[in-house]
Amino acid sequence: GIQVEQSPPDLILQEGANSTLRCNFSDSVNNLQWFHQNPWGQLINLFYIPSGTKQNGRLSATTVATERYSLLYISSSQTTDSGVYFCAVYKAAGNKLTFGGGTRVLVKP
Amino acid sequence: DVKVTQSSRYLVKRTGEKVFLECVQDMDHENMFWYRQDPGLGLRLIYFSYDVKMKEKGDIPEGYSVSREKKERFSLILESASTNQTSMYLCASRDSNYGYTFGSGTRLTVV
Repeated sequence: GIQVEQSPPDLILQEGANSTLRCNFSDSVNNLQWFHQNPWGQLINLFYIPSGTKQNGRLSATTVATERYSLLYISSSQTTDSGVYFCAVYKAAGNKLTFGGGTRVLVKP
Repeated sequence: DVKVTQSSRYLVKRTGEKVFLECVQDMDHENMFWYRQDPGLGLRLIYFSYDVKMKEKGDIPEGYSVSREKKERFSLILESASTNQTSMYLCASRDSNYGYTFGSGTRLTVV
């Protein structure tokens, strides 16, 4: 099956810092999503981004489907950005969403 | 916005009990999914459904069954709960234009 790798596995930031999270995947996909899992366990949909670039406030994401990677940018990080960020890819064949291992982010005040 | 609602945030059940986890979505999505999440193992697909009364096994269906009698509701059933089913359970529905939306999760403890 498709492999999804995220880096780095852990990230500690000072409040106000910028960071980039990376997601590599091993095969062509139909869709890609970025999620933030908050401390209570809920997965919040950040971006639905099979290709191109999107921005939502201090967050933005870019997917280069032909090179099989996606990047999530966090600018001016805040303590509320702490949590685990997951990349997940979807292939229509099999109707399956495959998750990466996640990047655990801690933003210190 | 799509809303996916899971009936319980926390549940404690005894070994051998039959457990029902309920999930409701409000956007008429055809596809619904149940995952479990465990430390070190990530999110694993248990079952999914692509229409009323239709179901497909995911990667780890053993010990579970599902029911989809109405389009908006997808239930996960633990026929005889065991301690190794202690986990975080996440329900999701999928839209072809906006992808997956997850519920808030149910933390199940089997004692």
